[in-house]
Amino acid sequence: QKEVEQDPGPLSVPEGAIVSLNCTYSNSAFQYFMWYRQYSRKGPELLMYTYSSGNKEDGRFTAQVDKSSKYISLFIRDSQPSDSATYLCAIRGGTASKLTFGTGTRLQVTL
Amino acid sequence: NAGVMQNPRHLVRRRGQEARLRCSPMKGHSHVYWYRQLPEEGLKFMVYLQKENIIDESGMPKERFSAEFPKEGPSILRIQQVVRGDSAAYFCASSSGAGDTQYFGPGTRLTVL
Repeated sequence: QKEVEQDPGPLSVPEGAIVSLNCTYSNSAFQYFMWYRQYSRKGPELLMYTYSSGNKEDGRFTAQVDKSSKYISLFIRDSQPSDSATYLCAIRGGTASKLTFGTGTRLQVTL
Repeated sequence: NAGVMQNPRHLVRRRGQEARLRCSPMKGHSHVYWYRQLPEEGLKFMVYLQKENIIDESGMPKERFSAEFPKEGPSILRIQQVVRGDSAAYFCASSSGAGDTQYFGPGTRLTVL
């Protein structure tokens, strides 16, 4: 079993839709949760960083963490064609510095 | 305010040659991480370094791969005697401290012929 599971997609939605991206993880020692966005042939760019269970909002993006279920989500409201990218969840343990990534979900927002 | 810089951006090597990938961290960052991204896979951690020290190399293949982060100059990821399976995108990230946010560079795409 992988430490972090993420549906690779692709996920295609019309412009303006609400997008839901999800990851599950197996190790309860993971404490820090991140979402990165990666455009084709570019480096990952940090979108959201959360520590505790609950919601964190930043503009059109909301990150949600449920530690009891080992489940994290990223919601994108009013999706735009410029949101078309691969979204990677990344998780880190309390004392470790390395990030463990999901495989990424490829999102396509169509006009 | 330059971000993480990596060079070269593209590198082509023949089997058996050596590949050297360079990473200059963000200004003020002294922690460097290397990750590898194989086609259709997520990023996999390779090694974590601070200046002149390897902190965690649990993701490094046992043979042919080495990394350094000298007191002066960029961090270097070195792959000796490359094989086709080494073809991948190699990303460097840096942070200001252990556990702090990691910022990624644009990556080096290695192709082994």
